[in-house]
Amino acid sequence: EAQVTQNPRYLITVTGKKLTVTCSQNMNHEYMSWYRQDPGLGLRQIYYSMNVEVTDKGDVPEGYKVSRKEKRNFPLILESPSPNQTSLYFCASSFGSKGRGTDTQYFGPGTRLTVL
Amino acid sequence: GDSVTQMEGPVTLSEEAFLTINCTYTATGYPSLFWYVQYPGEGLQLLLKATKADDKGSNKGFEATYRKETTSFHLEKGSVQVSDSAVYFCALRSSLYSSASKIIFGSGTRLSIRP
Repeated sequence: EAQVTQNPRYLITVTGKKLTVTCSQNMNHEYMSWYRQDPGLGLRQIYYSMNVEVTDKGDVPEGYKVSRKEKRNFPLILESPSPNQTSLYFCASSFGSKGRGTDTQYFGPGTRLTVL
Repeated sequence: GDSVTQMEGPVTLSEEAFLTINCTYTATGYPSLFWYVQYPGEGLQLLLKATKADDKGSNKGFEATYRKETTSFHLEKGSVQVSDSAVYFCALRSSLYSSASKIIFGSGTRLSIRP
């Protein structure tokens, strides 16, 4: 089954304790992206990756890191989480090659993060 | 910059009522337009899309027409069901970003349907 998986689905942590949220897709997609969803703000892009070893900042990258060592995986790293990073996070993927601007993005189920 | 504005929720309707959720956009060039739906506890799913002016996207009884003259992509359904209760997001993908696949989302509209 074609899908995007994220782990964990729920996480409660404390300020400053490093954490990683994993994202994996099995559709051989080139493009992957992380979003955060906050009430009244819709989805805002954190980072995206066009392909292996190619990553770039989205609209709200501060406090986050990513890596893309393999095509299927795109982990989101919070080196020192703070309470303002409490949010619902979504990973998404698509083919995303140039000229395929109509491609659909496929979303993971979300990770609800609470930073105390 | 590019942006999407959609009507604020929540929207509460009775079953079998007619639904309209307004969406307007600002973009350079010729964007593709999307409606995504998020059911409780799940990620976003593509509901429908339109890639050029006057195209109509449709799925599961929902429709939206790409209106370039009014820069709008309103979502409609003739008779809603309780199972349509969800959050709906309007989104655009600018032609300028076609190589980067950047999608810009509206803030979402929560829809609740009463039996």
